[in-house]
Amino acid sequence: GDSVTQMEGPVTLSEEAFLTINCTYTATGYPSLFWYVQYPGEGLQLLLKATKADDKGSNKGFEATYRKETTSFHLEKGSVQVSDSAVYFCALSGAHSASKIIFGSGTRLSIRP
Amino acid sequence: DAGVIQSPRHEVTEMGQEVTLRCKPISGHNSLFWYRQTMMRGLELLIYFNNNVPIDDSGMPEDRFSAKMPNASFSTLKIQPSEPRDSAVYFCASSLGGDQETQYFGPGTRLLVL
Repeated sequence: GDSVTQMEGPVTLSEEAFLTINCTYTATGYPSLFWYVQYPGEGLQLLLKATKADDKGSNKGFEATYRKETTSFHLEKGSVQVSDSAVYFCALSGAHSASKIIFGSGTRLSIRP
Repeated sequence: DAGVIQSPRHEVTEMGQEVTLRCKPISGHNSLFWYRQTMMRGLELLIYFNNNVPIDDSGMPEDRFSAKMPNASFSTLKIQPSEPRDSAVYFCASSLGGDQETQYFGPGTRLLVL
């Protein structure tokens, strides 16, 4: 079945460092891909999405490109801030139901001042 | 818009008691989802509804769990009887449904069963 695999955390970086969180997926068909972010004590919120191959989603300085050839959707940011500390979830829409989203296990990111 | 509303935000109960969690989705959204989040198991989809009809309840752990959506603006998740292993954060999310997959999450209910 469809699945998402993302890099294990926690990831700890210094402020202004470059961030990459790897995400690969297995899916039939052509799912949409997402990154959600969860700040401490809150629910998940959509960070960015891409709906077809080679699309780039971007928001708040974060970017991810839908790579069908490598089945990947890696999250990147050029210069992280302390406020980016959160848990990041890679996800895809279900092949048999666009409504259902399959989430990865999450990657905890901590940014040191 | 107020976003997805969940109540209560925190619940502490004793083993064996009935627990009812409530959710009000965003107005106009047709799909509603219940998730459970724990450190050990991460984020798990329990059940989801389209147009108030349960579509997939394969994630519901066992018969102690039940969910209803009597109308488009309200859903409940009930645990009876509750057990300590049910302690988790329960999230409700909603989406427009169909091709509009983006889900909007509520703040969650933190449940502790003693």
